[in-house]
Amino acid sequence: NAGVTQTPKFQVLKTGQSMTLQCAQDMNHEYMSWYRQDPGMGLRLIHYSVGAGITDQGEVPNGYNVSRSTTEDFPLRLLSAAPSQTSVYFCASSYSWGVGATGELFFGEGSRLTVL
Amino acid sequence: EDKVVQSPLSLVVHEGDTVTLNCSYEVTNFRSLLWYKQEKKAPTFLFMLTSSGIEKKSGRLSSILDKKELFSILNITATQTGDSAVYLCAVAGGNTPLVFGKGTRLSVIA
Repeated sequence: NAGVTQTPKFQVLKTGQSMTLQCAQDMNHEYMSWYRQDPGMGLRLIHYSVGAGITDQGEVPNGYNVSRSTTEDFPLRLLSAAPSQTSVYFCASSYSWGVGATGELFFGEGSRLTVL
Repeated sequence: EDKVVQSPLSLVVHEGDTVTLNCSYEVTNFRSLLWYKQEKKAPTFLFMLTSSGIEKKSGRLSSILDKKELFSILNITATQTGDSAVYLCAVAGGNTPLVFGKGTRLSVIA
């Protein structure tokens, strides 16, 4: 089992460029999410999905776009990168969602993005 | 709005010391509280607590939840330099995703 796989691990962009961070999981998890981590800020939720075809916004969604066409994949798109999006991004997944689920998350290794 | 507050934000101790990390929360329809350890890369899971007053233990680490007072503590005894990390607390409530605190950065010096 590969678990949660994120690519790329590192990326440098210029302001205004677009890119996609890829996330794939092979655990048949319903729930997938993207977090960003900045110094002293903990993990902040960008977008999440509770199943294929369903996405929702988290705490800091502006400037990011997501889609969930399959259970396995949950890409994060930056449409026009800004220096404020310089951060470490983590994809995470969980088996179940909703009432009764306890929420343990499995994380990818992270993607460090720098926007110049 | 769901909220998780961790304290202290940073802590420096000597090897062999015992530390207590705190996590207080406000969340609607509490489901669980989770502790993660983050070294250089992704957070790794430590404990999940769902019931009040039941201690979870793993080696030198232990954690307990107080659902009445809305907090949890993570204890680390006989600290080692390998315990140096950021410790994250997160809470699952209702139908909302996990909300994380800002973390406590623990530095253990020899």
